Amino acid sequence: DIQMTQSPSSLSASVGDRVTITCRASQNVSTYLNWYQQKPGKAPKLLIYAASSLQSGVPSRFSGSGSGTDFTLTVSSLQPEDFATYYCQQSYSTLYTFGQGTKLEIK
Amino acid sequence: EVQLVDSGGGLVQPGGSLRLSCAASGFAFNTYSMNWVRQAPGKGLEWVSFISSSSSTIYYADSVKGRFIISRDNAENSLFLQMNSLRAEDTAVYYCARVAPYYYYYTMDVWGQGTTVTVSS
Repeated sequence: DIQMTQSPSSLSASVGDRVTITCRASQNVSTYLNWYQQKPGKAPKLLIYAASSLQSGVPSRFSGSGSGTDFTLTVSSLQPEDFATYYCQQSYSTLYTFGQGTKLEIK
Repeated sequence: EVQLVDSGGGLVQPGGSLRLSCAASGFAFNTYSMNWVRQAPGKGLEWVSFISSSSSTIYYADSVKGRFIISRDNAENSLFLQMNSLRAEDTAVYYCARVAPYYYYYTMDVWGQGTTVTVSS
């Protein structure tokens, strides 16, 4: 199975900050890399697919980059509603796997 | 409106069985592959099982293989997960999720609200 490793596991930041979350795959997943946001008690929400494509309706302050094994999710200017947990996930293999999550907290 | 509604969760004893359902609406269910994903309390997301649009291709995570059975009824726009020989470690919120087409890189673009399964004596 393809292992996904996110860093950091948690992050404290302030409204207006620029933050970056990293995801590394244990083998090449091309650009079959997706990012989700999850808030407590809610289902995950798709933010980015194909490593860098913004899902419809998602604010443009979210962006993704990378290919192969190394990927990043960037939030250009944090808003209060962005404090949540973020997961990367590979869809290169049908045996889908997720990163362990990055909890973004208010400083 | 495109929607998935999960149901069927509850409290079950270790070794017991439970059948989860996911009702789809607002899209051509019979043309989409589907997944089940779960989340144990305080933990991350774990993919559980995949079924193709025609049910011809099915995959399971090693953690549930031989115990869980995924199925679908395209006439009823419904997805199912039959869970047998349940263990305490199967306790989780279970989500159904739609698999987007190849040009969306098979991402999971629509999710149900989740249904909670608790395995405890």
